[in-house]
Amino acid sequence: SQTIHQWPATLVQPVGSPLSLECTVEGTSNPNLYWYRQAAGRGLQLLFYSVGIGQISSEVPQNLSASRPQDRQFILSSKKLLLSDSGFYLCAWSTGTAYGYTFGSGTRLTVV
Amino acid sequence: DQQVKQNSPSLSVQEGRISILNCDYTNSMFDYFLWYKKYPAEGPTFLISISSIKDKNEDGRFTVFLNKSAKHLSLHIVPSQPGDSAVYFCAASVQGGSEKLVFGKGMKLTVNP
Repeated sequence: SQTIHQWPATLVQPVGSPLSLECTVEGTSNPNLYWYRQAAGRGLQLLFYSVGIGQISSEVPQNLSASRPQDRQFILSSKKLLLSDSGFYLCAWSTGTAYGYTFGSGTRLTVV
Repeated sequence: DQQVKQNSPSLSVQEGRISILNCDYTNSMFDYFLWYKKYPAEGPTFLISISSIKDKNEDGRFTVFLNKSAKHLSLHIVPSQPGDSAVYFCAASVQGGSEKLVFGKGMKLTVNP
């Protein structure tokens, strides 16, 4: 069966520090991978998505970047965090939107 | 420009009654719609979906209705249970398109015992 792992569950980082969030998928090949953010009082905002290794599409200009070094690994990074980067970050995978997404358990990031 | 709108941020209903969650969309290219349920500190989980070739899809206590002319869909939960208390997200996509789901802002449903 397919599973998605996302870590860490919570993270408190100072402003200006770097960030690396990792997401891995098991049990499927060549999934579409996504990073979403849910900020306080807002919905699910798509940040990045990837349809293959090394292929990254950015949805929103921001302080973040994403990479897909392996087929089932998706990494969200920042060189210098801002206060506005605080939020709940979700990784998801799909084999096509007809089947919807499967989300990870999320990372609560607080930038202080 | 928000393409998927959930205009009511919250809804409170009594256990056993019907919960109706509404969603509107602006992009007429959307042809597949989904509802997700999210508990605090967890990722959203898929609940039910509907293709634009249908106007109704039912799964147990959950029914989704689609009105394409009005660009409106709704999720009915009957009967509502306290365990249904969560945030519900409406999402839409274009099949064969960019493989992206566009989500609404979510609605918090509270079912009171």
